Amino acid sequence: EIVLTQSPATLSLSPGERVTLSCRASQSVSNYLAWYQQKPGQAPRLLIYDASNRATGIPARFSGSGSGTDFTLTISSLEPEDFAVYYCQQRGNWPPITFGQGTRLEIK
Amino acid sequence: QVQLVESGGGVVQPGRSLRLSCVASAFTFSSYGMHWVRQAPGKGLEWVAFISYDGSNKYYADSVKGRFTISRDNSRNTLYLQMNSPRVEDTAVYYCAKSQGNFYFDYWGQGTLVTVSS
Repeated sequence: EIVLTQSPATLSLSPGERVTLSCRASQSVSNYLAWYQQKPGQAPRLLIYDASNRATGIPARFSGSGSGTDFTLTISSLEPEDFAVYYCQQRGNWPPITFGQGTRLEIK
Repeated sequence: QVQLVESGGGVVQPGRSLRLSCVASAFTFSSYGMHWVRQAPGKGLEWVAFISYDGSNKYYADSVKGRFTISRDNSRNTLYLQMNSPRVEDTAVYYCAKSQGNFYFDYWGQGTLVTVSS
């Protein structure tokens, strides 16, 4: 099973700042990696798929990069609605599909 | 727009059974694979099971293999998860999710809470 490790666990930032979240896989997943955003009481929302493709309706301030074992999600300028938990997910070698443990993005 | 509505959650005793349903609308249900994903209270996301568009292929997480069964009825646009012999550690919000081309989850339901407790 491929283990995804996200860092940091929690980030405290202010609106307008730039943020980069990290996701590292225990073995190569090629570019088969996605990012999700989850707000309290809501279902997750797909942001990025295949490492760097924005999902439908996702603002351009969200971007993804990486391949193999190291991936990043960047938000170029934080909006108030971006404070949430972010998960990465791989399907490079499945089953099983696995998720990272999440990074919580908090308002400073 | 695409809508997924889960139902069937509730409190169930360990070892009993429960069936979850997910009704899909606004897309061609019979053309897409579907997943169940769960989230224990205060925890992260865990993939549970996948079924192909026609029901011919099914895959499960090791944690539920042999106890849970995923199925679908394309005539009713409905996905199911039969939960047999549930355990306390199966307590979670269960989401159904539509499979995007490379087995990502592009649409999610609102989730249904399953609590396994005596």
